[in-house]
Amino acid sequence: KQEVTQIPAALSVPEGENLVLNCSFTDSAIYNLQWFRQDPGKGLTSLLLIQSSQREQTSGRLNASLDKSSGRSTLYIAASQPGDSATYLCAVDHNTDKLIFGTGTRLQVFP
Amino acid sequence: DGGITQSPKYLFRKEGQNVTLSCEQNLNHDAMYWYRQDPGQGLRLIYYSQIVNDFQKGDIAEGYSVSREKKESFPLTVTSAQKNPTAFYLCASSIGGFISYNEQFFGPGTRLTVL
Repeated sequence: KQEVTQIPAALSVPEGENLVLNCSFTDSAIYNLQWFRQDPGKGLTSLLLIQSSQREQTSGRLNASLDKSSGRSTLYIAASQPGDSATYLCAVDHNTDKLIFGTGTRLQVFP
Repeated sequence: DGGITQSPKYLFRKEGQNVTLSCEQNLNHDAMYWYRQDPGQGLRLIYYSQIVNDFQKGDIAEGYSVSREKKESFPLTVTSAQKNPTAFYLCASSIGGFISYNEQFFGPGTRLTVL
């Protein structure tokens, strides 16, 4: 059974710092991996999708990498800003057209 | 303006009542999904539909029902059989079709509280 884990559960950093969020999954047979952002009381916003054949994707200050063989993905946020404060969720599509989610990393960036 | 809408934003229900949560999308997506989110837990899949007039149970379907009569709409009914329905409910849609770029897009959610 595919399981997705995110570490750390919470992170607090000063503005301007570069940071890395981690996501690990137990079964490497995936179609893709998605990173989402969720603000309190809101829906999920898709940030990046990495297909199984890809190693990384970039969007602005965000870079996500995927290492299927080791069951890991990282989300790198450059030059963090207070507006980046949110919960970040990763999810894998385990060849079933359904997403399996981690429990998220709650990020706070303080001025 | 393309996207996914959910209504209502907040919903209060008395015990023993059925309630229906609305989800509409104008993205021309074939697949639609319902998730439940509880504090401290990841999203859990309730039901999903890959095409009109067809749907499958997810991991926690007991006490819920759905219909998919139109491509744009995927309403979720929370029945009185659901023992702990208080949660945040999220609807999503995607192109579907077991493809590697099958990105899911989410609505703003409905918060259901049982009084």
